Amino acid sequence: GAVVSQHPSWVICKSGTSVKIECRSLDFQATTMFWYRQFPKQSLMLMATSNEGSKATYEQGVEKDKFLINHASLTLSTLTVTSAHPEDSSFYICSAWGGKTGDTQYFGPGTRLTVL
Amino acid sequence: GQSLEQPSEVTAVEGAIVQINCTYQTSGFYGLSWYQQHDGGAPTFLSYNALDGLEETGRFSSFLSRSDSYGYLLLQELQMKDSASYFCALTKGDKLIFGTGTRLQVFP
Repeated sequence: GAVVSQHPSWVICKSGTSVKIECRSLDFQATTMFWYRQFPKQSLMLMATSNEGSKATYEQGVEKDKFLINHASLTLSTLTVTSAHPEDSSFYICSAWGGKTGDTQYFGPGTRLTVL
Repeated sequence: GQSLEQPSEVTAVEGAIVQINCTYQTSGFYGLSWYQQHDGGAPTFLSYNALDGLEETGRFSSFLSRSDSYGYLLLQELQMKDSASYFCALTKGDKLIFGTGTRLQVFP
């Protein structure tokens, strides 16, 4: 199957700082990338949908000014958590989708963010 | 709203068969997928039902009944490595809507 990478795999930062997470599709062009957040022992919650060259679409309740998403190419999307606070500590997972109905989403390995 | 409910936890012994149910309250979706996630890892795709009925992939089978708003994942010949969380997910447009998740513990 297709490979999606995320970087970094984990990050610890101080409260008030910003953190950027990269998501790359390594062997296919991803029309759409998705960003999820997962708290311990909970399900994956979709945060936003990112299409190459256009603005991201955020799910209800997700602050677009806090979680900045850039999808500059068909193989790279970035999520920047701005002014991070301890409650933003979570497991952030991206996925990439080739764009055809019935295509599966391929998930990255996730990024563990801890805000002190 | 959209909700997919799963049992929170299931336990079984090696070699057994276990069924994880998924009930949902939504319509207009393309299909139902199942994902496995080990602690600290990414979800990995297991199975997909676009149509009603049973799909078999090795030790794993998945079933969908749109009329009953219900699906399940069947795991046979359980192995210790199957201990993980399992999520059903509906495909709506280009989005995946995940279920609440089921933690499976396999004992020797």
